Amino acid sequence: DAGVIQSPRHEVTEMGQEVTLRCKPISGHDYLFWYRQTMMRGLELLIYFNNNVPIDDSGMPEDRFSAKMPNASFSTLKIQPSEPRDSAVYFCASSPPVPDTQYFGPGTRLTVL
Amino acid sequence: QQQVKQSPQSLIVQKGGISIINCAYENTAFDYFPWYQQFPGKGPALLIAIRPDVSEKKEGRFTISFNKSAKQFSLHIMDSQPGDSATYFCAARALTNAGKSTFGDGTTLTVKP
Repeated sequence: DAGVIQSPRHEVTEMGQEVTLRCKPISGHDYLFWYRQTMMRGLELLIYFNNNVPIDDSGMPEDRFSAKMPNASFSTLKIQPSEPRDSAVYFCASSPPVPDTQYFGPGTRLTVL
Repeated sequence: QQQVKQSPQSLIVQKGGISIINCAYENTAFDYFPWYQQFPGKGPALLIAIRPDVSEKKEGRFTISFNKSAKQFSLHIMDSQPGDSATYFCAARALTNAGKSTFGDGTTLTVKP
């Protein structure tokens, strides 16, 4: 398997623009997680899905952030409008039906100017 | 109660030395304790993991020591190498919490040649 795939790998945008991050989990994995990593706050869980259903979105910073998982092989994290404080590396991870280990993607480095 | 406290924040070790990273938790429902290794520009990847029914697990130069009564676990890296320089995260998962893992804040390890 190719592992968790994320796109784009780098995104530079201006404040106020909409940003969409994409993730393809490992086939057969039931859990999908979105994380944000910054130097100041470390690795933060934003939201996670089980069988395409959002289970816990308590980590989503505010209404500007939204996530969807329309099917088992695709998820998006959208920021609208983006702000400079959203600059971070965003990781997607997936887990098999028994969610012991999380398999992380390579991340998307977002810079909001 | 969901927190996992990790120390130290950073660690510098000479090549060939032993690196030790510690984590403590409060939630007795945690039943799986993985350690992740993250290199710059990459996503975290599972290094080694332990369940609370054993006190130690060893894989090559990496060992997890687990103290259930003290609610502590630690990662030992024997014969540390410059290639081990990375950020290490401990984590804890309770299956009753629907797959969500709690991560420590990370330890940046530098192994000097």
